[in-house]
Amino acid sequence: DSGVTQTPKHLITATGQRVTLRCSPRSGDLSVYWYQQSLDQGLQFLIQYYNGEERAKGNILERFSAQQFPDLHSELNLSSLELGDSALYFCASSSGLVLFFGPGTRLTVL
Amino acid sequence: QQQVKQSPQSLIVQKGGIPIINCAYENTAFDYFPWYQQFPGKGPALLIAIRPDVSEKKEGRFTISFNKSAKQFSLHIMDSQPGDSATYFCAATSGTYKYIFGTGTRLKVLA
Repeated sequence: DSGVTQTPKHLITATGQRVTLRCSPRSGDLSVYWYQQSLDQGLQFLIQYYNGEERAKGNILERFSAQQFPDLHSELNLSSLELGDSALYFCASSSGLVLFFGPGTRLTVL
Repeated sequence: QQQVKQSPQSLIVQKGGIPIINCAYENTAFDYFPWYQQFPGKGPALLIAIRPDVSEKKEGRFTISFNKSAKQFSLHIMDSQPGDSATYFCAATSGTYKYIFGTGTRLKVLA
């Protein structure tokens, strides 16, 4: 157990809908990262937050947004969902150079 | 400059074999090179990591070889076991830069 929690574990929704994925980092970790992993694909970096501030941005679509709250939990919002958004979404936290990944949220868009 | 290129995409070896996975990077600002291991249905977890001031690091059956001039690093798994069957990701980062992952290598070790 990495200490990073993600909810929900599974999410099934329809095209055009909006969903929110939630991540609670390890106790004491200030950095939160979001990654997308499509079927048989690598880990695509979406965005990083550090202590509530956006620190780095990857290939995150304009339909996606994220934020980190004062209690350090983070949410990833995905809107106007398309079939191609079906993927595993991982959150990771760190207080140094090692990333600790959560178990992921599997999103299925029908 | 932000890419980390990983090969091969998949690898099948017999038990006891030594699979080798290679990665190459471009950005010389990277100064930390970890390998993550991911089992099906789980999140990746750190396996071993290296800094560019050393050419090799061993932890148990896992070894990273690092070639700074070629901007390449590789993972060797000695005496591989069926339990090592997983997807392996190399990555590169610095203290103030994005954490970039390779595309992953799916390893299968046959009993």
